[in-house]
Amino acid sequence: DGGITQSPKYLFRKEGQNVTLSCEQNLNHDAMYWYRQDPGQGLRLIYYSQIVNDFQKGDIAEGYSVSREKKESFPLTVTSAQKNPTAFYLCASMGAAGGENIQYFGAGTRLSVL
Amino acid sequence: ILNVEQSPQSLHVQEGDSTNFTCSFPSSNFYALHWYRWETAKSPEALFVMTLNGDEKKKGRISATLNTKEGYSYLYIKGSQPEDSATYLCAYNSNTGNQFYFGTGTSLTVIP
Repeated sequence: DGGITQSPKYLFRKEGQNVTLSCEQNLNHDAMYWYRQDPGQGLRLIYYSQIVNDFQKGDIAEGYSVSREKKESFPLTVTSAQKNPTAFYLCASMGAAGGENIQYFGAGTRLSVL
Repeated sequence: ILNVEQSPQSLHVQEGDSTNFTCSFPSSNFYALHWYRWETAKSPEALFVMTLNGDEKKKGRISATLNTKEGYSYLYIKGSQPEDSATYLCAYNSNTGNQFYFGTGTSLTVIP
């Protein structure tokens, strides 16, 4: 099955703890993205990566970190500096389909604070 | 942060009704406008990618139009069916970068 796999589906974070959300793709896409969704808001970009070993901050990068050591993987770490981490997190990759660049999304991870 | 707005926020229609929603985006530095369909408990799926002013695209009973000069796109659903119930998202991509700016979505419920 080709696609984007996010894990875990649900994650709980204790105060002062760093947690890492996994995102893996087998679509051979160069570009990958992390978004955050809060109630009543659109998806907001946290980080994106156009190629291995390179990534850029999105609009709400503070309190998050990423790495892109492999093309297939783009994990997101929610650090203790992120004071309001409770949200739904979506990972996406982008590739060509029918001559157009399209984003393909994972099923998401819901993060809550204990 | 660019402002992308969608209206209405939610919509309830009877099965068989036709409906449409709006996505407004900045008219400057336009590169592409994407429409996605997001069903509950599933991943968002791409419906259309629109790049040219005046573009019209169609997939079955769903179609979309694009006006880049005034900064809006319409999504139309003809003869709505219960399986059309979902949140419809639009995302604006400017020519100054590779970021996508999403609207808050329109939640459609089709009542059998």
